Formats: sequence, C-alpha cells, structure tokens
Amino acid sequence: ETGVTQTPRHLVMGMTNKKSLKCEQHLGHNAMYWYKQSAKKPLELMFVYNFKEQTENNSVPSRFSPECPNSSHLFLHLHTLQPEDSALYLCASSPTTSSYNSPLHFGNGTRLTVT
Amino acid sequence: TQLLEQSPQFLSIQEGENLTVYCNSSSVFSSLQWYRQEPGEGPVLLVTVVTGGEVKKLKRLTFQFGDARKDSSLHITAAQPGDTGLYLCAGVSNSGYALNFGKGTSLLVTP
Repeated sequence: ETGVTQTPRHLVMGMTNKKSLKCEQHLGHNAMYWYKQSAKKPLELMFVYNFKEQTENNSVPSRFSPECPNSSHLFLHLHTLQPEDSALYLCASSPTTSSYNSPLHFGNGTRLTVT
Repeated sequence: TQLLEQSPQFLSIQEGENLTVYCNSSSVFSSLQWYRQEPGEGPVLLVTVVTGGEVKKLKRLTFQFGDARKDSSLHITAAQPGDTGLYLCAGVSNSGYALNFGKGTSLLVTP
C-alpha cells in the first residue's frame, strides 16, 4: 500500500477512444503530479497541481487533459492518442510543491498501450 | 530544463560485489533525491542530499553530493538480489515546483 492508488493498472486503447486515468492519494498532501515514463527516457513531468490549481503544464499535447477536483484526486483524460503515447503514466503527490523537502510519493502507475 | 546524466545505464553484478552509480549535471541543484523503482511499481524515495559535500548512509547504501552541487553518487556495498531495480536521481526544477529526473541506472544483482 503506497498511499497513492492508480487505476487502472493496465489500459489498451485505440487511437479513436476516450479514456481516463485515475489517481487517489490518502496522505493528506496538497500537491499532485502526472509523470510519463517511457523506455530509455527520463521521467517526463506532465502536469502539476497545488491546492487544486494547475501550476505547471510542461508543453503537453492537448490530447492529454488533466483534472483535479480536490487535493486527493487527480485524473488524466485521454483522447485521440498516438502509438508513441504508449508508456507508464505515474501519479505522485507531495505535501507541497517545495520539492527539496517534500519528496514525491508515487503510485504504481498505469501501463498504457495505444494501438 | 536542467539535464541529469546517469551512468552506467545498465549494471549486472553478482551478489556480494560493490558498485557505484553516478548522477551528473552541468547545472547546480539546490538538492538531489535518489529513488529506487522495482518492476511493476512506482519509484520510492531513498534519500535527499542538500548540502555540498554531504554524505548520507542508509544501511549498505552511501550517497554523496558533490561539493559544487552538480553531481551525486550512490555506492552499494555487498550488493544483494533485493537491491535489483532502477535507480533514479532527481533535482528540483528551475520552476521550483517539481523534479527533473535522470534516465536511471538499471541494476541487476544475481545470486
């Protein structure tokens, strides 16, 4: 039990589908993040939310749409994805966005395959 | 984006051996964090180093932050199969909001 739960663990979708990834944290944290992990690449920061407000959008294509209804829940809505979007999508949380003293707590990720 | 280069990319050793992995950058970081990621799981924080020259020990793992705060190393003594995983270093981004990660060092320790 990591304190950060992601669902689903695995997802296969076609390029025309619409799906959503869900993340829930039970740690009382105020900041939540989406990262993309692809083979042979560093973890790529996608979005940052602090107290439900988006504070960073790291030039992510509009086919990825985040939603943060409260500090405990984070969604990533997906539509018209490309095969190169296949990756492990990791959600993380931290007490605040001051990262040097607020380490990230990661979920176990959603393995996404776009066909 | 502040880039972090990790080396080696892959390392396969036998149980009982010692090893060192490196995390280097041309940029100065206020702090660096080390994470370990096991297959099928998310990264888990091992340590945070903040002060230049700092050395931290976590059982058989020794972490060092370079004097100029541009690099860090992780030394494992008498590696065990349970040490197998992807070791990631991360530094606070320029925005101060989140971390920039290196590609990681994939370590395999065989019995």
